[in-house]
Amino acid sequence: GAVVSQHPSWVICKSGTSVKIECRSLDFQATTMFWYRQFPKQSLMLMATSNEGSKATYEQGVEKDKFLINHASLTLSTLTVTSAHPEDSSFYICSAHLSEPYEQYFGPGTRLTVT
Amino acid sequence: GQNIDQPTEMTATEGAIVQINCTYQTSGFNGLFWYQQHAGEAPTFLSYNVLDGLEEKGRFSSFLSRSKGYSYLLLKELQMKDSASYLCAVLASNYQLIWGAGTKLIIKP
Repeated sequence: GAVVSQHPSWVICKSGTSVKIECRSLDFQATTMFWYRQFPKQSLMLMATSNEGSKATYEQGVEKDKFLINHASLTLSTLTVTSAHPEDSSFYICSAHLSEPYEQYFGPGTRLTVT
Repeated sequence: GQNIDQPTEMTATEGAIVQINCTYQTSGFNGLFWYQQHAGEAPTFLSYNVLDGLEEKGRFSSFLSRSKGYSYLLLKELQMKDSASYLCAVLASNYQLIWGAGTKLIIKP
């Protein structure tokens, strides 16, 4: 099956700093990637849809200036959490989908802790 | 609005069978997914149904009734490693996945 990687797996940063998370499709090209956030004991929350070569589409309530998404190539999308705050501490997961059968493949996730 | 309902938590015994239900109301329908998620890990794909009926894959089966907006995931011969959250998700009209809150399945020896 298709493989999606994420880097880093976990990161601890200080409040006010920025953190970049990379999402790569290793054996397929993904024109669209999705970024999710998951708080403990809650379901996945879609943050934004990342489209290669164009601007990301953000879900309602997600600040696009705080969560910068760049999809520079067909195999890489990055999420940068700017001016991080402790409430941004969460599990961030990316996914990419193939056209058929509309199945999404998830990266292993990045655990962000802001101190 | 769009919503997906599934039980918050279920408990079953090792070796038994458990059925996790999911009902949905979405704008458009392009298929329903079941994912398994162990604590601290990303979801992994279990099944995809787009037509009515039962899809069997080893110990796991998934059923869909589009007219009723209903699906279930059936797990047979439960093993301790099946303890996880099971997420139901519907691919809506704009091909966006709408997620349920997940069902935490606890397996007891």
